[in-house]
Amino acid sequence: EAQVTQNPRYLITVTGKKLTVTCSQNMNHEYMSWYRQDPGLGLRQIYYSMNVEVTDKGDVPEGYKVSRKEKRNFPLILESPSPNQTSLYFCASRETPNEKLFFGSGTQLSAL
Amino acid sequence: KQEVTQIPAALSVPEGENLVLNCSFTDSAIYNLQWFRQDPGKGLTSLLLIQSSQREQTSGRLNASLDKSSGRSTLYIAASQPGDSATYLCAVRPRTTDSWGKFQFGAGTQVVVTP
Repeated sequence: EAQVTQNPRYLITVTGKKLTVTCSQNMNHEYMSWYRQDPGLGLRQIYYSMNVEVTDKGDVPEGYKVSRKEKRNFPLILESPSPNQTSLYFCASRETPNEKLFFGSGTQLSAL
Repeated sequence: KQEVTQIPAALSVPEGENLVLNCSFTDSAIYNLQWFRQDPGKGLTSLLLIQSSQREQTSGRLNASLDKSSGRSTLYIAASQPGDSATYLCAVRPRTTDSWGKFQFGAGTQVVVTP
């Protein structure tokens, strides 16, 4: 089954403790992206990757890092989580050439 | 910068009524527009994707139209059912030189279909 898999589903952390949210897709998509969703604000793009070793900032990249060493994986790293990073995070990949987006099930992060 | 707005934020309709959901965007220079469905605690599922050269797309009871010149798209859901209850979001891919990887999302319309 074609899917985007995120882990973990829920995450509670203390501020300042580095954490990684994993994302993997099995559709051989070149493009992957991370979003955060906050009430009333919709989805805001954090980072995206057009292909292996190619990443770029979205609209809200501060406090986040990403890497793309393999086509299927695109982890999101929070080096020092802060309370304002408490949010629902989604990973997505994009089909070509039509650009249909496929989303993971989300990771609810609480940074206390 | 492209801004995407969805009004109303919430909508309740009785079962069987047709649903009309609106999406507006400020810059008509787009590659495509996509409608998504999001169930509580779940990820987004793409429903319909309209390329900039198209005026509408249809899938079953769903029909989405696109009017780039006025910056609007409408999602129609015919004969609504309780299972259509969800949040519906739209997203545009801007046609700008720095937008190859960017999508702009609206905040969504939360729909409740009452039996």
